[in-house]
Amino acid sequence: QKEVEQDPGPLSVPEGAIVSLNCTYSNSAFQYFMWYRQYSRKGPELLMYTYSSGNKEDGRFTAQVDKSSKYISLFIRDSQPSDSATYLCAGKGQGAQKLVFGQGTRLTINP
Amino acid sequence: EAGVTQSPTHLIKTRGQQATLRCSPISGHTSVYWYQQALGLGLQFLLWYDEGEERNRGNFPPRFSGRQFPNYSSELNVNALELEDSALYLCASSLFGDYGYTFGSGTRLTVV
Repeated sequence: QKEVEQDPGPLSVPEGAIVSLNCTYSNSAFQYFMWYRQYSRKGPELLMYTYSSGNKEDGRFTAQVDKSSKYISLFIRDSQPSDSATYLCAGKGQGAQKLVFGQGTRLTINP
Repeated sequence: EAGVTQSPTHLIKTRGQQATLRCSPISGHTSVYWYQQALGLGLQFLLWYDEGEERNRGNFPPRFSGRQFPNYSSELNVNALELEDSALYLCASSLFGDYGYTFGSGTRLTVV
């Protein structure tokens, strides 16, 4: 079993829709959770990070972690065509340096 | 501030050859990480260097190796290339203890 599981998609939604991206993880030691966005032919860029359980909001993006169910979510409100990219979730343990990534979900926002 | 820079952008090698990939971290970052992103497999952790030392290694064969120089730049070497080594190789850097990495744009390695 992979430490971080993510549905690779592809996921296609109309512009303006609310997008929900999800991951599950198996390593109980994970304390830090991140979402990266990767455009085609580019490296991943850090979008959001959260510590332990709870929600974090940044503009149109909300990251949510439920440690009891080992579930990580990213919500995108008022989605734009420029949000079309691959979204990667990742987890890291306290004191650990290695980030463990999910497979990534390819998202397309249709105008 | 310059980001993480990787060279070359693209590299085409023949099976059995050696490939050398280079990475310059963000100024002040001491940790460098290498990941392999093969089609459909997500990011697989390869190596982590900090202060010139190899700190952690992923589940890859010994023909994947590297080093970190005194200026914190890093080199990834892949010996005896195989077709399945074709992938995007990503380098990232961070300060030790930072929560997230900053990635470069990667080197696309194609083995023919």
